[in-house]
This record gives sequence, C-alpha cells and structure tokens, in this order.
Amino acid sequence: AQSVSQHNHHVILSEAASLELGCNYSYGGTVNLFWYVQYPGQHLQLLLKYFSGDPLVKGIKGFEAEFIKSKFSFNLRKPSVQWSDTAEYFCAVKGGSYIPTFGRGTSLIVHP
Amino acid sequence: EAGVAQSPRYKIIEKRQSVAFWCNPISGHATLYWYQQILGQGPKLLIQFQNNGVVDDSQLPKDRFSAERLKGVDSTLKIQPAKLEDSAVYLCASSPVGDRFPEAFFGQGTRLTVV
Repeated sequence: AQSVSQHNHHVILSEAASLELGCNYSYGGTVNLFWYVQYPGQHLQLLLKYFSGDPLVKGIKGFEAEFIKSKFSFNLRKPSVQWSDTAEYFCAVKGGSYIPTFGRGTSLIVHP
Repeated sequence: EAGVAQSPRYKIIEKRQSVAFWCNPISGHATLYWYQQILGQGPKLLIQFQNNGVVDDSQLPKDRFSAERLKGVDSTLKIQPAKLEDSAVYLCASSPVGDRFPEAFFGQGTRLTVV
C-alpha cells in the first residue's frame, strides 16, 4: 500500500518569510510525486511534479521541491512567501499500479 | 483552453435521497477521475476511467455509488441513497493519455451537503 503524510496542517507566516512544507510517503518502488495548490474559491492546480532526473524540481510561482529518496520525502519550499500564496497545499504520490494518493493538505496563511 | 466543467456547484439533499453530478472533461482527455474530498482531508479517488472503460474503482462504495462515462467524454456520478457521511466536495479531473506522467486537471467541484 502507499500513503502520504503531510506533517504541517496549518502554517501561518508573514510576508517574505521562507516556507517549507513537509511531505513523506510510503512506497518502496519508483514513484511519481506532485504538489497541488488550491487558492481560495478556486480549483486544484498543479504546482510541480517529479518523475525522474534532477531531484530538485522547479514549479510555478517560485516554488520548488526536493525529492530525497532515502527519506521518502518530497518537501515543498519557497524562499520568500507573498500574501497571494495563501492557499491549501496538497502533496500526492503515485507508485506502480497504485491509484494516486493525496495527503490531507496544509493550510497556509500569509499575513501582509 | 476550456477547463473541466462540473455541475451543479452546490447541492443540498436529505439522507436517503438520490443525487447525480455531471462532469465534462477537457477536450481530448481520455482519462477521467472522480474524487471525494471530505472537509479537512485530501481528495480520495473514487473511480478512474480511460475512455469509457473503468481503470480503477476499488474505493467506490458500490452499494450506493455508481458512475458512468458512456461515450468516453462526459461522466456522471450518482449516489443512491445518500448518507450523512457522503457530505463532501466531489471533484472531477481529467488528464491526457500519451504523457508518461500525466497531470490531472481539476474542476471546481460539487459541494454536497446531506441533511
């Protein structure tokens, strides 16, 4: 079986602070990893994805994520957040023949 | 490019009633997903179609939920009869075939409240 764990359920930051959201998964084989974002009142949209190659992945809006295979982690980072980054962030994993599995999400609030 | 369309946006029904949701995926996307997102949780896949065939429905409560995609385009998800615990947002998503790492494009969802 595969599962996804997002450790931070609620994060509150001030503008210009750095962000790191944790994501750990359980699956021993080759995985495809995603971060999705849902802005208030909008639909889920892809921030970035990893399937092979460089473990440091760049996404939209200045986000990046690092795949660390030995730690089964795919943490999301942004060096300086903006008020407009206020949203819900979801990590998702797909391994082998398993169906895509989402974490429970992290609610990020950025104060101006 | 038009996105994934879902209707209705909101629905309130009483328990034991039936309800249906409709989804129109992005044109040309062969894969269609229905997800259930309960408040405070991540989306959970209910069923995945490729064209009009079911790829996975292992998490679909088949005693009350059904879904179809007759012509490989639009899809409907039905709940009959509804229970209080079915209150959730039902998300439809689609992705193209041919990409070895397909990104799923999501619709706005239908928020169902069962009272």
